[in-house]
Formats: sequence, C-alpha cells, structure tokens
Amino acid sequence: QVHLQQSGPGLVKPSQTLSLTCAISGDSVSSNNAAWIWIRQSPSRGLEWLGRTYYRSKWFYDYGVSVKSRITVNPDTSRNQFSLQLTSVTPEDTAVYFCARGKWGKFDFWGQGTLVTVSS
Amino acid sequence: DIVLTQSPDSLAVSLGERATINCKSSQSVLLDSNSENYLAWYQQKPGQPPKLLISWASTRESGVPDRFSGSGSGTDFTLTINTLHTEDVAVYYCQQSYSTPWTFGQGTKVEIK
Repeated sequence: QVHLQQSGPGLVKPSQTLSLTCAISGDSVSSNNAAWIWIRQSPSRGLEWLGRTYYRSKWFYDYGVSVKSRITVNPDTSRNQFSLQLTSVTPEDTAVYFCARGKWGKFDFWGQGTLVTVSS
Repeated sequence: DIVLTQSPDSLAVSLGERATINCKSSQSVLLDSNSENYLAWYQQKPGQPPKLLISWASTRESGVPDRFSGSGSGTDFTLTINTLHTEDVAVYYCQQSYSTPWTFGQGTKVEIK
C-alpha cells in the first residue's frame, strides 16, 4: 500500500518561498510507471494541478501555466520523496496543498493535505 | 486547457434514491489509439483528500462500492450513485488526464434530502 506523508510550514510570508515535502512509502520516486504530483485546492480556484515529476530513463518535469514561472518540483531519490517550491507567494497562493501519485493520469494515492496561509 | 463543467453544482437526494452527476468536457478526452477516455471521478469529504472512485470513465477502483458507476465517452460523462447511502454525502469531482494541464471540474455537492 502506498502512503504519502506531507511536511512543511503552514504559514509563509508574502514574497517568500513556499516549500513542502512529500515522503513516499510503498513505492519509489524513481518508479518508471508513476508520476509524482502537487495539487492545491482553494475556494476561488477549486482543485488545481500544479506540476509533476517522473522518471523514464531520465527525469521529466511538467508544470501548470498559472505557476510555471514560480514552481519547482524536485525528486529526492536518497530519501524517496519529492518536494514543491513556489517562489514569490502572494495571498492568492493560500490553499490546501496535496501531493499525489499519478498512474496513467489518475491520482490514486494522496497525501493528507497541508493548509498553507500566505500572510505577514 | 481542457475545461470540465459539472452539473448540477449541488443536489439533494433521498436515502436509497439515485444521484446523477454530469461532467462535460470542452474537448474530447477519448484517445483514438487505445479507445480509452482519460476521465476520472473522485469523492471528497470534509478535511480529507479526494478519493479516486472511477478511472477510464467507467472502471471502478478496487474497494469502491458497486452502487457507484461511471459512463460516457468523448465529451459527456456521468457519475451515478444508485441507492444513496448516508456515507455518500460528499463533493464529487471529475478530472481529465487527456492533456496537461490536467484539470478538474468545479465539483458537485451531494446532500441528503
């Protein structure tokens, strides 16, 4: 059974960088048939896919247009986890952030969610 | 981006009755090469992440009760909950993975009448 455990701060100041980590158990971040994804949810934007990383002989990265200039999703093979960094945050980035596993485009396992508030 | 529009936004159904949720895509999510629809359905309860119910438009995930069923192809899809149970009160979302950015519908809230 796959389990995803999220960690990271729940409060970030405007203009700073939001950083979250998702630790994987029961699968490998280097799996050649999975993708590792970040999604956020807010009342104004609903569920929004932010980006993904996946390994197919080499690492690939794919980001949503709304955050493309500010987002980085990185795998950490030594710790079997992946991370999200979102720079230059504003109050509009306040949301619940989820990590998830993607297989053939469906999100079959999810982290518990982290409410991140952007406020001074 | 592919836009998914769900209807209705909310519905109230009596226990034991049927709930029907529609999801319309702004473009087809049917991949001709394998004849699969890249459309999934999720259930979300308060304080929890979404739970995958159905993939490929109509394939129920392991452990999902058979009162949940999905149908449709191309641009029009339906999630049906037969004989609504109390534990089915939730928000339901459709999601496409035909092309990035992968997108979700706005959600449909199901309540007990």
